[in-house]
Order: sequence, then C-alpha cells, then structure tokens
Amino acid sequence: QKEVEQDPGPLSVPEGAIVSLNCTYSNSAFQYFMWYRQYSRKGPELLMYTYSSGNKEDGRFTAQVDKSSKYISLFIRDSQPSDSATYLCAMSALGAQKLVFGQGTRLTINP
Amino acid sequence: GAVVSQHPSRVICKSGTSVKIECRSLDFQATTMFWYRQFPKKSLMLMATSNEGSKATYEQGVEKDKFLINHASLTLSTLTVTSAHPEDSSFYICSATADSATNEKLFFGSGTQLSVL
Repeated sequence: QKEVEQDPGPLSVPEGAIVSLNCTYSNSAFQYFMWYRQYSRKGPELLMYTYSSGNKEDGRFTAQVDKSSKYISLFIRDSQPSDSATYLCAMSALGAQKLVFGQGTRLTINP
Repeated sequence: GAVVSQHPSRVICKSGTSVKIECRSLDFQATTMFWYRQFPKKSLMLMATSNEGSKATYEQGVEKDKFLINHASLTLSTLTVTSAHPEDSSFYICSATADSATNEKLFFGSGTQLSVL
C-alpha cells in the first residue's frame, strides 16, 4: 500500500464548477499537509499549507484535513480555465524535511 | 515567493554520456536542497537531500555513484547523471529551503526533462 493515495484522474469540469480533490494516507505520523499545483513540464507551486486537522481558506481555495479518517481535500470554487493543471497533495511528519507526494490529479477546466 | 532556478530545462544526450543539472536559489541562501525524479503521470520521488558543505543523503534504491550530487555553496546544488542510459530519461526537479524547520518555505525549480537516446 502506498503511503499516499491520490486518484490520478483525469478530471474535467465546466468553468465555474466547484472542484473537489482528495488524498488518503496511511501514515498516522503525518502532521503537515500541502497542496501543490503543477503545470505541464514545470515545478510544483505551493497552494495550501495546513497543520493537523481543520480547514484553511485562501481565496477560491479551501483545504480540509481529517486526521481521524486520514483524508485530505482541496476545494476550488468558481473554477477557471487557468486552474487547469495537475494538483499534488504532499505531507510530512513532525520534524521531517521529507515530503511524500501523491500521484497527482490532472484537472481540466473547460470554458 | 522565493525563486529557484534550474538549468537546463531540457537536455538530450547520447547513452553513456554524463549530464549535469544545476539548481540555484536566486534570492535566498538554501541550507538544504532536494532532488526529485518524476515519471509521466507519476508522483515526485525524492532521490536525495543535500545540505551545504556535506555529503548528500540518498533515498533507498537510488544509486549514489550514478546520481552525483554536489552542494558546494548556499546557492548552488548540482545533480550529475553519470553514464546515462535510456532508463534514466525522466523529469528531474530540485527544491530548496532556507528554513529546515518548515516545509512551507520550500521552493521548487522548474524542472529538467532528460532524454537519453
């Protein structure tokens, strides 16, 4: 079993829709949870950074962490064509520099 | 955010040759740099962690003699793929941080697509 599971998609939705992206994990030591956006043949860009359980909102993006279920989500409201990219979840344990990434979900927002 | 420059963005080489990839932190001093490998439609796999002035720490299964990492200064780390073969073809990405206490201040380069013929 992989430490982090993420549905690779592809996921295609119309412009303006609410997008839900998810990851599950098996390592209960993970305390820090991140979402990255990666455009084709580019490096990942940090979107959201959360610690432990709860919600965090930043503009159109909301990150949720449910440690009891080992489940994290990223919601994108009012999705735009420019949101089309691959979204990677990543997580790390307390005091650990090493990030463990999900496979990435390829998202397309159709105008 | 901070800028990490990776060069070259794309390289094609013949089998048996060596290729060097550079990763520079342009506006901060990177105490730690990381090197990842990413296959198409796959996740980023950490290859090694390098701290300035010391030997890199390689992940299990990564050949140290195959992937030479040098972190000679606080702004530059290099990855050299020695005697490259077609199976080494991949997308290589570096990341850098000035603050090892948090991953929130971890910045990624734009990646290098290596194609070995």
